Amino acid sequence: EAGVVQSPRYKIIEKKQPVAFWCNPISGHNTLYWYRQNLGQGPELLIRYENEEAVDDSQLPKDRFSAERLKGVDSTLKIQPAELGDSAVYLCASTRTSGSIYNEQFFGPGTRLTVL
Amino acid sequence: AQSVAQPEDQVNVAEGNPLTVKCTYSVSGNPYLFWYVQYPNRGLQFLLKYITGDNLVKGSYGFEAEFNKSQTSFHLKKPSALVSDSALYFCAVRAYSNSGYALNFGKGTSLLVTP
Repeated sequence: EAGVVQSPRYKIIEKKQPVAFWCNPISGHNTLYWYRQNLGQGPELLIRYENEEAVDDSQLPKDRFSAERLKGVDSTLKIQPAELGDSAVYLCASTRTSGSIYNEQFFGPGTRLTVL
Repeated sequence: AQSVAQPEDQVNVAEGNPLTVKCTYSVSGNPYLFWYVQYPNRGLQFLLKYITGDNLVKGSYGFEAEFNKSQTSFHLKKPSALVSDSALYFCAVRAYSNSGYALNFGKGTSLLVTP
């Protein structure tokens, strides 16, 4: 089966500019995650979706970050305006069902964001 | 809070030798533990998980991990390392919050296997 698809793979912007990342999860996976991975660190959860509903966005900086998953499939993560500290790799992951705590997550290749 | 710690930033091992990447955990309740590997410019790939049952868990690419409750550890092991095993390895624990479950990752351990 096809894996999690993310685009773009790389993005370089100047601070204060907007930026958006797109994710297409594995077909049939109803749970979707966005993580941020800073250099030398493990991924940190930003937001988790169950179908169209954002059920955990407690770690999302809502003053500048937003996300949507309108039809319960693809998702977009947006930053507006970007700050220097937003430079990181943004990872999307999906899993088949939220009902099982045992399911592993499948990760996309990530988008490497550089804010100048 | 549910957390894991990876005490080593880097592990170096010669090809053909056994390798161990360490992970300790801190949880309330039963731990659900995972190992992922990250190759350069690629996303994380699942290696193995411990949910319950046998303390020795076997996973992908010849890796295994040993769950030790008394030492609160979940070390990743491989009997004979390959140069292609060189990558970044992350331990993670399933964490429960009011809104459900998420993964809490360690900071990662860089494994370098030399020929």
